[in-house]
Amino acid sequence: GDSVTQMEGPVTLSEEAFLTINCTYTATGYPSLFWYVQYPGEGLQLLLKATKADDKGSNKGFEATYRKETTSFHLEKGSVQVSDSAVYFCALFTYNTDKLIFGTGTRLQVFP
Amino acid sequence: DAMVIQNPRYQVTQFGKPVTLSCSQTLNHNVMYWYQQKSSQAPKLLFHYYDKDFNNEADTPDNFQSRRPNTSFCFLDIRSPGLGDAAMYLCATSRDIAGSYEQYFGPGTRLTVT
Repeated sequence: GDSVTQMEGPVTLSEEAFLTINCTYTATGYPSLFWYVQYPGEGLQLLLKATKADDKGSNKGFEATYRKETTSFHLEKGSVQVSDSAVYFCALFTYNTDKLIFGTGTRLQVFP
Repeated sequence: DAMVIQNPRYQVTQFGKPVTLSCSQTLNHNVMYWYQQKSSQAPKLLFHYYDKDFNNEADTPDNFQSRRPNTSFCFLDIRSPGLGDAAMYLCATSRDIAGSYEQYFGPGTRLTVT
């Protein structure tokens, strides 16, 4: 079945460091891909999305490119801030199932 | 602000004692979802409503039921909670089902079963 695999956390970085959180997927058909973020005590929020191959989603300095050839959607940010500390979820949506399938989440901790 | 509200944020119930979790939305979205999220695991879809149409996931236990009396409200009923039902329960909404539509999540209700 369709699935999402994310790198395990926590990822611990100093402020202004470069961030990569890996995400790969398995899906039939052509899924849409998403990154959601969950700040402490809050619900999940959509961070960015891409709906077809080679699309790049971007928001708040975060970017991810839909790579069909490697079935990946890695999240990157050039310079993280303490306020980026949160749990990040990669997810896919396929029309086979009409539902979002989430990865297990990656906790990011950024220290000053 | 338009939003998805879940009440209560924390719920403690006893083993086997029925419990109801509440979700409301001011977004006027057609679709409402319930997810279960256990510690360090991915959110798992339990069921969703498209307007009044109920869609149950095949692996959702019969112990879990849902009601949507109107567009704004949706309830999750756990008829006989077991210890394994302790989790965070997330409500989400979207304007439509298609993948291009963003899902908006509430803050979740953390359920403890004693």
